[in-house]
Amino acid sequence: ETGVTQTPRHLVMGMTNKKSLKCEQHLGHNAMYWYKQSAKKPLELMFVYNFKEQTENNSVPSRFSPECPNSSHLFLHLHTLQPEDSALYLCASSQDLDRHYGYTFGSGTRLTVV
Amino acid sequence: RKEVEQDPGPFNVPEGATVAFNCTYSNSASQSFFWYRQDCRKEPKLLMSVYSSGNEDGRFTAQLNRASQYISLLIRDSKLSDSATYLCVVSFNDMRFGAGTRLTVKP
Repeated sequence: ETGVTQTPRHLVMGMTNKKSLKCEQHLGHNAMYWYKQSAKKPLELMFVYNFKEQTENNSVPSRFSPECPNSSHLFLHLHTLQPEDSALYLCASSQDLDRHYGYTFGSGTRLTVV
Repeated sequence: RKEVEQDPGPFNVPEGATVAFNCTYSNSASQSFFWYRQDCRKEPKLLMSVYSSGNEDGRFTAQLNRASQYISLLIRDSKLSDSATYLCVVSFNDMRFGAGTRLTVKP
C-alpha cells in the first residue's frame, strides 16, 4: 500500500460508545496530523505529532484522545462524543514540521454521532 | 479577520470558460502557500504549490502577492472534471486552510 490509509471510512456511534480511528502512512514521513472538517467550515487542526511525539493540541476536548505508537501510525480514540462531533476526520502526514511540500491526506473517516 | 479568506462561491461556469479564485491571508510572516482540490466527500489533494514568481501547471496558474497578502488561482479552458472545491492553504508554524470555493463546470 502507498500513501495515507484511514480506517474505517464510515462510522456511526452512539454517545456512550468508545471507538478508535486508525491512520497509517507509507511515505516515510515524520509528522502526522488529525484534522476535523465540518460542513462549510475550514479544516480544523486537532493534533500534531512529530517523530511520534505530540507537539500540538489545539484545545481539543478530552473526549478525543490521540495515540502515536510510531512515526507511521496514528490513532484517534473517541469516547462519550456529542452529536456536534459528527464530521469528516482527516489524517495527514508531511515530511517534517516545516510543511514546505504540503500534506498528504488520507481519505478520511466520516463520523456520525447519534 | 479570518486567517485565510476565500471567495465563498459557488462558481458555476460553462465548459471552456476561464475562472479565477482569490484568497487573502492575515499573517504576513506566512512562508508557504498551496492550492488544494477537494472532490465531494473525498479528501483534499494537493493541486499546486504557489511560488513568489508565480507558477503554471498546464491550464492552472497560481500567483502570490506578498505585499497584498493575496493568492490567486486561474483555471483556463475549464473541464467538467474541474468541478470541485478549491482550498487555499497558507503555512507559517502550521497550515491554515480557507473554507474553500466551490466550482461547478457545466456542459
